[in-house]
Amino acid sequence: QVQLVESGGGLVKPGGSLRLSCAASGFTFSDYYMSWIRQAPGKGLEWVSYISSSGSTIYYADSVKGRFTISRDNAKNSLYLQMNSLRAEDTAVYYCARREVTMGDYFDYWGQGTLVTVSS
Amino acid sequence: SSELTQDPAVSVALGQTVRITCQGDSLRSYYASWYQQKPGQAPVLVIYGKNNRPSGIPDRFSGSSSGNTASLTITGAQAEDEADYYCNSRDSSGNHPLFGGGTKLTVL
Repeated sequence: QVQLVESGGGLVKPGGSLRLSCAASGFTFSDYYMSWIRQAPGKGLEWVSYISSSGSTIYYADSVKGRFTISRDNAKNSLYLQMNSLRAEDTAVYYCARREVTMGDYFDYWGQGTLVTVSS
Repeated sequence: SSELTQDPAVSVALGQTVRITCQGDSLRSYYASWYQQKPGQAPVLVIYGKNNRPSGIPDRFSGSSSGNTASLTITGAQAEDEADYYCNSRDSSGNHPLFGGGTKLTVL
């Protein structure tokens, strides 16, 4: 069965950095686009970034462009999000999600999320 | 505009039918997908494409679209359907996914 397991969240000071990881299993990772989506406490879902199956196409939300970097290692079945220059407003649960783009456009599997707290 | 608008809250009596809507210009070009999120849990895909349900989603969930509005209908709402529901599509550029603000469904 498809599993996505995020890790790397925690407490970081404003201006600091953090690297999130997402370990994928149960499907051919290299065949799928992947995405990071976040949810601030008590708020709605916000798409953060996605990366194509080969890694050649990458997009970011304006709110994180220039500060966050998405990457993947298909040999390790892993997705990453390097977060730099963190701000209080980046505090959120960060979800890794598989994005289906060939049979439509939707996020069909989600991890359980990892909490990032940016606070001094 | 690059927004998807949802009503913040909707309520339905147990066993009745409820429609949750999502409005946005991009919905004229792209289908919406719908996600159910219960407290403390990750979102779950319930509807995608024209009107498709992933395996395991009850057939009381259905989707439709007209013009700039997508709808999620629950026919015969159950207590376990009480949750937040989010629509998702693309922004006007077509490159960025976009989520609606979410609708909190209460089953009375």
